[in-house]
Amino acid sequence: AQTVTQSQPEMSVQEAETVTLSCTYDTSESNYYLFWYKQPPSRQMILVIRQEAYKQQNATENRFSVNFQKAAKSFSLKISDSQLGDTAMYFCAFGSGNTGKLIFGQGTTLQVKP
Amino acid sequence: SAVISQKPSRDICQRGTSLTIQCQVDSQVTMMFWYRQQPGQSLTLIATANQGSEATYESGFVIDKFPISRPNLTFSTLTVSNMSPEDSSIYLCSVDHFAGQGDSMNTEAFFGQGTRLTVV
Repeated sequence: AQTVTQSQPEMSVQEAETVTLSCTYDTSESNYYLFWYKQPPSRQMILVIRQEAYKQQNATENRFSVNFQKAAKSFSLKISDSQLGDTAMYFCAFGSGNTGKLIFGQGTTLQVKP
Repeated sequence: SAVISQKPSRDICQRGTSLTIQCQVDSQVTMMFWYRQQPGQSLTLIATANQGSEATYESGFVIDKFPISRPNLTFSTLTVSNMSPEDSSIYLCSVDHFAGQGDSMNTEAFFGQGTRLTVV
């Protein structure tokens, strides 16, 4: 069975600085996707970034980038130039390429301080 | 992309009663998923709802407690039956959307706004 682990329950960062959220996973599948989702107090799950396992290049989306280490089964999220609106719960998720189901990590609460 | 409307957005229910949550998608999708998010916790998959067949439940979740309907490719309901305070959670509907082909194929899960259920 797949597992996803986020070992940082809470993190804080000063506005405009950079922060990295950690995630490790375990799977025996070869076809899968990895995601970072953001959940602000509104409860809405918002996709931050996606990584296909078959792609070696790390995904980037504006201020957000990942460090995907497939052999180590590590998938960290780097947020550059942090903004107050980045304050939220962040979930790392594993998506099976066969079933479409998502397995979520425990979440990391990120607070951006002014 | 997919737009998901989920209702109710919140409810307060008496123990022993049942609540049905509706999920409407603006496009046809093969699979719909129901997740539970207990207070301060992560999301846990309850079941996968497939059109034309019974839902597939994850370990720890049973049909008698969480019956699911999937009458067509754009709609699903989740019922929380015989509720107790332990059922107080956020329940989220999700769909899986594939776009593109081959090496350009991407997948993304879209979520409804969630239903905050409080059982008293």
